[in-house]
Amino acid sequence: AQSVTQLDSHVSVSEGTPVLLRCNYSSSYSPSLFWYVQHPNKGLQLLLKYTSAATLVKGINGFEAEFKKSETSFHLTKPSAHMSDAAEYFCVVTLPYNTDKLIFGTGTRLQVFP
Amino acid sequence: DAGITQSPRYKITETGRQVTLMCHQTWSHSYMFWYRQDLGHGLRLIYYSAAADITDKGEVPDGYVVSRSKTENFPLTLESATRSQTSVYFCASRDPGLAGGPRLFGPGTRLTVL
Repeated sequence: AQSVTQLDSHVSVSEGTPVLLRCNYSSSYSPSLFWYVQHPNKGLQLLLKYTSAATLVKGINGFEAEFKKSETSFHLTKPSAHMSDAAEYFCVVTLPYNTDKLIFGTGTRLQVFP
Repeated sequence: DAGITQSPRYKITETGRQVTLMCHQTWSHSYMFWYRQDLGHGLRLIYYSAAADITDKGEVPDGYVVSRSKTENFPLTLESATRSQTSVYFCASRDPGLAGGPRLFGPGTRLTVL
């Protein structure tokens, strides 16, 4: 069965320091993986997606993620956090037989301190 | 403006009442989705629709009804609201040419059932 685990429910960083949000997935097939961001009282916005092309995926706002099949991971990183990055982040995997059915992780809340 | 709109943005109702949440998109996307977001569960798919007059159940369809008579509208009805349906509801759509699930989310409707 498909599943996704976000290893940290909360992450706190100082502005200007690196961000690492961890995601592990379980899939019997080659998955499609996404990261979405949700700012307070807003809808979700797609940050980046992996669909079996390059394993290092670049997204918006300086974020990137690396697909590591051997570790079944898809961690999200950013070299230097900005105050505006404070939000909830969701790692998402699709079902192999129906790519419209997304499986969401439970989310990681990123706090950025000045 | 183009995009997805949801109405109402906030709704308080009582147990047993019928409630309809509206979703309207201006892109003419054929695929539309309804999700609910609850603490500790991420987003869960309620129903989705591949085109007008075509709908299908998601993970948590019980207690909900959808219709899709026009491509741009996808209302979600709670026929007899229960407290467990207190949640934030998100509508989403995607272009059929973009594989891998929803791309564009509405701002959400916060529903409280007393």
